[in-house]
Amino acid sequence: AQSVTQLDSHVSVSEGTPVLLRCNYSSSYSPSLFWYVQHPNKGLQLLLKYTSAATLVKGINGFEAEFKKSETSFHLTKPSAHMSDAAEYFCVVSAAAGNKLTFGGGTRVLVKP
Amino acid sequence: GAVVSQHPSWVICKSGTSVKIECRSLDFQATTMFWYRQFPKQSLMLMATSNEGSKATYEQGVEKDKFLINHASLTLSTLTVTSAHPEDSSFYICSASLGPVETQYFGPGTRLLVL
Repeated sequence: AQSVTQLDSHVSVSEGTPVLLRCNYSSSYSPSLFWYVQHPNKGLQLLLKYTSAATLVKGINGFEAEFKKSETSFHLTKPSAHMSDAAEYFCVVSAAAGNKLTFGGGTRVLVKP
Repeated sequence: GAVVSQHPSWVICKSGTSVKIECRSLDFQATTMFWYRQFPKQSLMLMATSNEGSKATYEQGVEKDKFLINHASLTLSTLTVTSAHPEDSSFYICSASLGPVETQYFGPGTRLLVL
């Protein structure tokens, strides 16, 4: 069994300040972990993924995430928020078998000018 | 690369009619496709997994006779909502992957409104 908990349903930041989106997971297998972004009425875009290589993963648009096995966390960060970062972000875990994805509840990011 | 399209992007239908949604992988062959449902302000819930040429595997609680899935080729999967009712109104999103353990690439979604 696997599950994902995104600790904040909403995050509000000012443009130019850091963004931190928190994610904790549980998995019976060695997990693959992903962050996806969804803009309003759009599909999901892959930001980055962790698949048991380097624990610090760099993604698109300046985002990165760090896999911490001891804390079962995979938090997403960006040093400086841009207005275009306003969207819904999903932390996702995948078990090795069957590639079934389990989504977190999502974090809605608001970027203030 | 790895582009997935869906058609239509939105559809309005009358209660009792059937609606077909297409999911295509445009630049790769997708041996596995997935269908998700997303209610407003909620996360995605997996409905079913389909492998090319075989029957779809449905998640618990998803009615396979209501949500018919066909994956007839390596680039096309269809979801048909049969005898649609207002409670079927939702955002339906497909994804496609090269294989069982590969990254999933998502389509833009189809918004269904049943009147």
